[in-house]
Amino acid sequence: EVQLVQSGAEVKKSGESLRISCKGSGYSFSRHWILWVRQKPGKGLEWMGRIDPSDSYSDYSPSFEGHVTISADTSISTAYLQWPSLDISDTAMYYCARLDSGWNFGNYYYDMDVWGQGTKVTVSS
Amino acid sequence: QFVLIQPPSASGTPGQRVTISCSGSSSNIGSNYVYWYQQVPGTAPKVLMSRNDQRPSGVPDRFSGSKSGTSASLAISGLRSEDETDYFCAAWDDSLGGVVFGGGTKLIVL
Repeated sequence: EVQLVQSGAEVKKSGESLRISCKGSGYSFSRHWILWVRQKPGKGLEWMGRIDPSDSYSDYSPSFEGHVTISADTSISTAYLQWPSLDISDTAMYYCARLDSGWNFGNYYYDMDVWGQGTKVTVSS
Repeated sequence: QFVLIQPPSASGTPGQRVTISCSGSSSNIGSNYVYWYQQVPGTAPKVLMSRNDQRPSGVPDRFSGSKSGTSASLAISGLRSEDETDYFCAAWDDSLGGVVFGGGTKLIVL
């Protein structure tokens, strides 16, 4: 079974650093991009960035560039989302998702086909 | 705030057919597939519709998707009480180089 399993909930203080993880299993981890998505309480989904585990190339939504870092370790099939310094506004649920992409009858597809269960991050002052 | 525009809520009675719209632009819906996710509060989004109108295995055929130009729709027929939850649309955006989402629609079954 293809699945992504995320690390557990975190409670942190403003200014602290944090790294959460997303471990893939049941497929070749290096062959699919991993995306990170934020969901603030009661709000919608926001794409944060993505990483190609095969070469660790990553890019970010302008809204998150410079505030978080996405990395991956293919030896343990795990992707990471990291904050050097948390802010109260980072309180949210964070999801990783696998991106399956390719050509389909002349159209390029970007399927976020498998999602992690989410990691809740709570930041207080 | 969200690139794709969805109505904040929709409603219907059991057995009815309801539709949820999703409006975008040429750089996202107009040039890429649309995806729909169903999310029960407190759980991860579940893929409800893939590539505009493809139902993943296990999704009832009461759910259908369509796309026209820069807009898309999710239709739910034979509405059931368990359909009452949140629905999000998404598409790749060529200008952004990433995924854009709608703000979500809360479906209420009266």
